[in-house]
Amino acid sequence: DADVTQTPRNRITKTGKRIMLECSQTKGHDRMYWYRQDPGLGLRLIYYSFDVKDINKGEISDGYSVSRQAQAKFSLSLESAIPNQTALYFCATSVGARQYFGPGTRLTVT
Amino acid sequence: DAKTTQPNSMESNEEEPVHLPCNHSTISGTDYIHWYRQLPSQGPEYVIHGLTSNVNNRMASLAIAEDRKSSTLILHRATLRDAAVYYCILRPSGNTPLVFGKGTRLSVIA
Repeated sequence: DADVTQTPRNRITKTGKRIMLECSQTKGHDRMYWYRQDPGLGLRLIYYSFDVKDINKGEISDGYSVSRQAQAKFSLSLESAIPNQTALYFCATSVGARQYFGPGTRLTVT
Repeated sequence: DAKTTQPNSMESNEEEPVHLPCNHSTISGTDYIHWYRQLPSQGPEYVIHGLTSNVNNRMASLAIAEDRKSSTLILHRATLRDAAVYYCILRPSGNTPLVFGKGTRLSVIA
């Protein structure tokens, strides 16, 4: 399986701060994704990238930006964090029909 | 996106089979049926997928109705470790990101 790692695993930040969540994978998959999950709900797509030069907005991209620094790295930024961005964030990669998810980053904005 | 309908929750006894239903009456001919599950405090993980024929793997079986408007994920012998949220997802092609609903929360009773 793809080895998808996310840093940090937990983060508490204040309203208005800029924060970056990082995702790395070691399996050479071209496609990478960022999702957020709110309590009791399914995952919602924020951004996705099919290769280093390809970035696409998902369902809920407002307030977020991404950077695909290399095939293996896909970062999610919150330029000015707000409390309703408190959520669990998942990175994923895919090859063929399957997506592989990281362990998640729990972000709290106070 | 074609939508799926799943029960909010189900309960099963340990070591008994579990049948998790999914309705997708608006499925198109090229939509694949994917199942993922999310164990507590983890990212989702792939379970199985299929197009028209029933599918089996080491984790589960997928039974697809002849008209493809519904499908059933079958866990042949539930264990406590199978307690999770199970998501039924329609995916038009391998390049399309997964779109998650709320899924079915499966509880397994010892």
